[in-house]
Amino acid sequence: GQQLNQSPQSMFIQEGEDVSMNCTSSSIFNTWLWYKQDPGEGPVLLIALYKAGELTSNGRLTAQFGITRKDSFLNISASIPSDVGIYFCAGQTLGAQKLVFGQGTRLTINP
Amino acid sequence: NAGVTQTPKFQVLKTGQSMTLQCAQDMNHNSMYWYRQDPGMGLRLIYYSASEGTTDKGEVPNGYNVSRLNKREFSLRLESAAPSQTSVYFCASSVLFNNSPLHFGNGTRLTVT
Repeated sequence: GQQLNQSPQSMFIQEGEDVSMNCTSSSIFNTWLWYKQDPGEGPVLLIALYKAGELTSNGRLTAQFGITRKDSFLNISASIPSDVGIYFCAGQTLGAQKLVFGQGTRLTINP
Repeated sequence: NAGVTQTPKFQVLKTGQSMTLQCAQDMNHNSMYWYRQDPGMGLRLIYYSASEGTTDKGEVPNGYNVSRLNKREFSLRLESAAPSQTSVYFCASSVLFNNSPLHFGNGTRLTVT
């Protein structure tokens, strides 16, 4: 089946640093979504992307829909302690009816 | 407005026991989903219901059954639990089935011994 490769699997950074993570797919996607999961809770939608090349921001978060339609990036600027959690990308191909999720990036921040 | 509510939050079962995980959403969403989350595997779709009255298999349906009781409720049943079903289970809903972001519940942590 379809697979998303998300990297890195984990990140250990200092507070205030910028963060970058990405997802790549073997298939062309027409939708990319980025979710964050806090400990003990369900994933929460951060950013949704629907067009190749689209660059969308949500506060300190910025995500881009890759031009090739096979990748997406999420950047977090000036990280703060509440950014800790697991970040998931999810994609959907044209005509498909289900989202495919990446394996997640676990972000840890040292104060 | 509670969003997506799952019960129970935690459950321990012995191999062979059965149980039903409950999920309800109050957002008038048409589509509902059950995922399982395992370390290093991300979220994998078990079953989904595109609209009231329909259910379909996802990526990992074996060992599970579902019921879309009404538009609000979508339950997941384990008829004979196995240790391989130890996982965190998430229910989700969306307005429409295609190109519509998912809203997740807070999960049910299930341990099968």
